[in-house]
Amino acid sequence: NAGVTQTPKFRILKIGQSMTLQCTQDMNHNYMYWYRQDPGMGLKLIYYSVGAGITDKGEVPNGYNVSRSTTEDFPLRLELAAPSQTSVYFCASRAAGDGNEQFFGPGTRLTVL
Amino acid sequence: AQSVTQLGSHVSVSEGALVLLRCNYSSSVPPYLFWYVQYPNQGLQLLLKYTSAATLVKGINGFEAEFKKSETSFHLTKPSAHMSDAAEYFCAVSEGALQGGKLIFGQGTELSVKP
Repeated sequence: NAGVTQTPKFRILKIGQSMTLQCTQDMNHNYMYWYRQDPGMGLKLIYYSVGAGITDKGEVPNGYNVSRSTTEDFPLRLELAAPSQTSVYFCASRAAGDGNEQFFGPGTRLTVL
Repeated sequence: AQSVTQLGSHVSVSEGALVLLRCNYSSSVPPYLFWYVQYPNQGLQLLLKYTSAATLVKGINGFEAEFKKSETSFHLTKPSAHMSDAAEYFCAVSEGALQGGKLIFGQGTELSVKP
């Protein structure tokens, strides 16, 4: 199993550009999550999904959109990129049920200039 | 609302010394608690988790943590530090599956190990 995979690994955007961060998991997990990590701030939840067709906002959703058309994929869309979106983005998934851990992808490092 | 506080953003120990990383949480319901480790330029890897089965939890790489409800703590320890333990460590509390199983993270503690 590959687990959780993310593409691209690195990306530089100009202000106002848009892009999609890809996330795929092969563990048949219902739950998927997008976090951003900024130095000294831990990880903050952007959006999450409890199953195909169901998404909900996390703590910091502004400037982002998501969709979940399949169990495997959970892309994160940035519209009109801003310097404040410079961060490292992590996708994670978990199986249904209380207490199950989240499995994380390797991350995407995004710089907006 | 749930929250997590990690005391000390940087901890430095000598190789062979005890490692103690502190985590306190707030939760209105019995929590699920996790410790993750992040090596440079990598994703997060689970070290151990508490799910109410036992208060002393053993994890990978010789780490363990003790859940103390009266102190709302879940401190991470390792008896003898190794150079390979240098990394950033995150404590997290989880809401239940009905709340989406979301993780609330502490701000992280960077562990340095001196030869």
